[in-house]
Amino acid sequence: EPEVTQTPSHQVTQMGQEVILRCVPISNHLYFYWYRQILGQKVEFLVSFYNNEISEKSEIFDDQFSVERPDGSNFTLKIRSTKLEDSAMYFCASRTGPGTEAFFGQGTRLTVV
Amino acid sequence: RKEVEQDPGPFNVPEGATVAFNCTYSNSASQSFFWYRQDCRKEPKLLMSVYSSGNEDGRFTAQLNRASQYISLLIRDSKLSDSATYLCVVSGQGGSEKLVFGKGTKLTVNP
Repeated sequence: EPEVTQTPSHQVTQMGQEVILRCVPISNHLYFYWYRQILGQKVEFLVSFYNNEISEKSEIFDDQFSVERPDGSNFTLKIRSTKLEDSAMYFCASRTGPGTEAFFGQGTRLTVV
Repeated sequence: RKEVEQDPGPFNVPEGATVAFNCTYSNSASQSFFWYRQDCRKEPKLLMSVYSSGNEDGRFTAQLNRASQYISLLIRDSKLSDSATYLCVVSGQGGSEKLVFGKGTKLTVNP
């Protein structure tokens, strides 16, 4: 069964460092998303990506964040200068189109120390 | 008002019980509705989509009431493996395709 894969599963980084979280969405999906979940809180939308550009972003997704689809398979989230409050689980998701079911990767646990 | 509201629980039920979860959403323009389950520190996993006419998948039944902006999930004959947090998810508000999550309802099924 096709699945969304994310790497790494866990990343520890020092405050101020840059991190890149990687995702391989399901191959025939066209819409890609990043979400995050701080421990004990709800899943929060960060950004959506369609047709090689950002289609929507939340207030959380400030200038420290960027996304890229560098080739036909990978979808990355970069955080330029991590803060302690960026510590969270980051989930990538993909879906075929509007209104369809979205599938999530297993997440990357980011710990900023 | 929160975009998607759920009773956080926790719900503690014995095996074999029937349990119902409710969810309300604030944006009447919402188009798509889903239930996901999330195990501790894992990713949300799709349980089922919710259709206007209501739909059933085995022991799970989902209902949507657009007029009341209310979604429900019924689990019959609960199993130990049903223990998880159940997330109500809404999408398609005013052209936006982002998924908006409720905070979830925690269910524990006891032997």
